[in-house]
Amino acid sequence: QSVLTQPPSVSGAPGQRVTISCTGRSSNIGAGYDVNWYQQLPGAAPKLLIYNNYNRPSGVPERFSASKSGTSASLAIIGLQAEDEADYYCQFYDINLSGFGVFGGGTKLTVL
Amino acid sequence: QVQLVQSGVEVKKPGAAVKVSCTASGYTFANYDISWVRQAPGQGLEWMGWISGENGDTNYAQKVQGRVTLTTDTSTSTAYMELTSLGPDDTAVYYCARGAAATGYHYWGQGTLVTVSS
Repeated sequence: QSVLTQPPSVSGAPGQRVTISCTGRSSNIGAGYDVNWYQQLPGAAPKLLIYNNYNRPSGVPERFSASKSGTSASLAIIGLQAEDEADYYCQFYDINLSGFGVFGGGTKLTVL
Repeated sequence: QVQLVQSGVEVKKPGAAVKVSCTASGYTFANYDISWVRQAPGQGLEWMGWISGENGDTNYAQKVQGRVTLTTDTSTSTAYMELTSLGPDDTAVYYCARGAAATGYHYWGQGTLVTVSS
């Protein structure tokens, strides 16, 4: 079980806005560690969506944004499209855990 | 453009070892770290370890500590992940990725399926 908790699934209709939460602890997200987000389309390798809490790599649409507050982070997708149907993972760096990299359990986004 | 190309499918028996390669192109290999992440069938992403592109320093996840070794060959811009004493729970797709946990994994290999079965 990951120390970063994500809802197993979320859904939304095309055009809608959805958010995916990533809940941590005061010892990780709450301690100021940056959060990164990834999208994994079916059968594909993960793709970086957001890094260092808010930044989008070039090529990632502005429809994707992220925020962080306290011990939680959120990924928001506006104007939902069919091609957004994928698994989404939050990830951060924690020097105090068993390794440096930690992933959330992942959230399956279904576009209705 | 940046590319990470991994070696092909592996089928191993329990107790054996596997070595997966990840060949980089499109950037100066030594300037970036390489991390390894695996994904068991139907499961989420699991961080395995990290190797510094600058000096070869490594750090491994506790779950695989003692069984995993990450190395690089800067002459061929290739990173390697070797996992020993394989068990059925090691069946997964193994990914290499450029970057470190703090700054995110910006580029990923295509993945290598490793199946452990008797």
